[in-house]
Amino acid sequence: SQELEQSPQSLIVQEGKNLTINCTSSKTLYGLYWYKQKYGEGLIFLMMLQKGGEEKSHEKITAKLDEKKQQSSLHITASQPSHAGIYLCGAAAVKEYGNKLVFGAGTILRVKS
Amino acid sequence: DTAVSQTPKYLVTQMGNDKSIKCEQNLGHDTMYWYKQDSKKFLKIMFSYNNKELIINETVPNRFSPKSPDKAHLNLHINSLELGDSAVYFCASSPLYLTDTQYFGPGTRLTVL
Repeated sequence: SQELEQSPQSLIVQEGKNLTINCTSSKTLYGLYWYKQKYGEGLIFLMMLQKGGEEKSHEKITAKLDEKKQQSSLHITASQPSHAGIYLCGAAAVKEYGNKLVFGAGTILRVKS
Repeated sequence: DTAVSQTPKYLVTQMGNDKSIKCEQNLGHDTMYWYKQDSKKFLKIMFSYNNKELIINETVPNRFSPKSPDKAHLNLHINSLELGDSAVYFCASSPLYLTDTQYFGPGTRLTVL
């Protein structure tokens, strides 16, 4: 089983609609990262969250980490075709994850014009 | 200027061959990583080097051998390639081990025929 669960696995939204992607861990996280991957390209860093209850925004993307530091959500407001891609959450839990960074399986986002 | 670069971007080869993938970062980071992304887009860490020393070596076949000639380079050599090695391999780097954002290269798509 994967250490980080992402949901949904895939998502198709109409341009202009809002959407949310979730990332859940059974362990308390040291840090939670969100990356975006465009088809056939590398991973682009979006945001990193470290404190319980932390929230960060960049343009139309907002990421939150819950108080227990076990769940994060990524919210996109007024989606655009440029938001399409694969969104991956990654987490460092140091001891809990054997001193490594683990990733969720990813959420494929398609935005229909 | 490219922060983390990988060569080649695409690699198609026959089973049984030996191949190498090169990675270079010009960010001055101390830590570099190799990840494998399978067909289901699941990203899994393979190796991590900190100041040219191996600190993570996940359960990967001995056919995979990382080499770090200096802090800015981490190459991945694969012997006796198998069909199951087909994947996208990502190199990444970070200033510190795990506690910092990782910056990813564009990936190398390896296809074993």
